[in-house]
Amino acid sequence: QVQLQESGPGLVKPSQTLSLTCAVSGGSVSSGSYYWTWIRQPAGKGLEWIGRIYTSGSTDYNPSLKSRVTISVDTSKNQFSLKLSSVTAADTAVYYCARENWGLGYWGQGTLVTVSS
Amino acid sequence: QSVLTQPPSASGTPGQRVTISCSGSSSNIGSNNVYWYQQFPGTAPKLLIYRNNQRPSGVPDRFSGSKSGTSASLAISGLRSEDEADYHCAAWDDSLSGRVFGGGTKLTVL
Repeated sequence: QVQLQESGPGLVKPSQTLSLTCAVSGGSVSSGSYYWTWIRQPAGKGLEWIGRIYTSGSTDYNPSLKSRVTISVDTSKNQFSLKLSSVTAADTAVYYCARENWGLGYWGQGTLVTVSS
Repeated sequence: QSVLTQPPSASGTPGQRVTISCSGSSSNIGSNNVYWYQQFPGTAPKLLIYRNNQRPSGVPDRFSGSKSGTSASLAISGLRSEDEADYHCAAWDDSLSGRVFGGGTKLTVL
């Protein structure tokens, strides 16, 4: 059974870079036809797709965040990462990592990131 | 504002059939598969329907999805109290080259 677990700072200062990691167990980030995805959800609001990385390494990003987002994979640690630069309070949200094949079938539990000084 | 439009709330009584709509455009629902997710408070979403009308293993057949043109619907028959949750629709958008979600619908079982 595939399991995903997000980790990273829960508090980030405005203008700094948010960095999160998603550790994958029960499967390999470098095999299969999967997209490894980041999604966020501000409190009381809907889901927002941030972007994804394919097992080949190709990426797709939300156009509204593209200039600030980088998603990468570390095959040696079987994990993938999110970096979001120049954060503001509007980036405060629960951040989820997920695996996509036909739909986002596996999700991490989510991690709350608050942007505040 | 979400690219896909869902009603913010829906409700029904136990045993009833309820439907939740998801409206989009030719660049998303009109030309790509629709997915539905169920989310309970404080937990991650769970895939409920994929490729418009397919249920993952373990999802009861009380849940069904359909798509017509630029709109999609999730139907829940034989409503149960444990169905009370938020429901989100999603699709790929060719114009944005990204996945888009609806704003979510909070289902209340009266």
